[in-house]
Amino acid sequence: QQPVQSPQAVILREGEDAVINCSSSKALYSVHWYRQKHGEAPVFLMILLKGGEQKGHEKISASFNEKKQQSSLYLTASQLSYSGTYFCGTAFRMDSSYKLIFGSGTRLLVRP
Amino acid sequence: DGGITQSPKYLFRKEGQNVTLSCEQNLNHDAMYWYRQDPGQGLRLIYYSQIVNDFQKGDIAEGYSVSREKKESFPLTVTSAQKNPTAFYLCASTYQGLNTEAFFGQGTRLTVV
Repeated sequence: QQPVQSPQAVILREGEDAVINCSSSKALYSVHWYRQKHGEAPVFLMILLKGGEQKGHEKISASFNEKKQQSSLYLTASQLSYSGTYFCGTAFRMDSSYKLIFGSGTRLLVRP
Repeated sequence: DGGITQSPKYLFRKEGQNVTLSCEQNLNHDAMYWYRQDPGQGLRLIYYSQIVNDFQKGDIAEGYSVSREKKESFPLTVTSAQKNPTAFYLCASTYQGLNTEAFFGQGTRLTVV
């Protein structure tokens, strides 16, 4: 039931681009993206709320294909500060509650 | 400043003991969540709660218990029934709904000794 992320890990040189993918076997109503530095709390990047929507955060942007139940995170001209683990999350309505679950993460290392 | 606070940061448990991890938020959020993080396995949902005195099991609830007596607080007890409790535990909170940002605490690292 967890979203599936790919790749599991990426190593980049500073300035290179990367794409992280997230797919779900269940219908997606929204997709969340977070970045976590080692030993710290995940930090919110963006939420995509409807199919086809793209949002951006500095040189990080994302797309959401509701029909394919997929989202992709695009990191452009990567900086050293982009290193960390990226998680996609999705929220489901379960009866009267909202369940928020996350993928297994993609570890990104940006080298000088 | 509003935020979500977990304590303690590090916790050591002996075999057979129950331990309780604290999570408090002053963001006036309705929903609170507990996640377990192991290397390479991402964030796995333990329990979640939308309102006071109501909570639901997540994907790996066995060996854990929670309570939600106050809107601001959602403590997690790791019981002796949890056979492999060593992990990093994260608490999060959100407003109600599918489309709201989650705020995370700084986490508690639990180690069985």
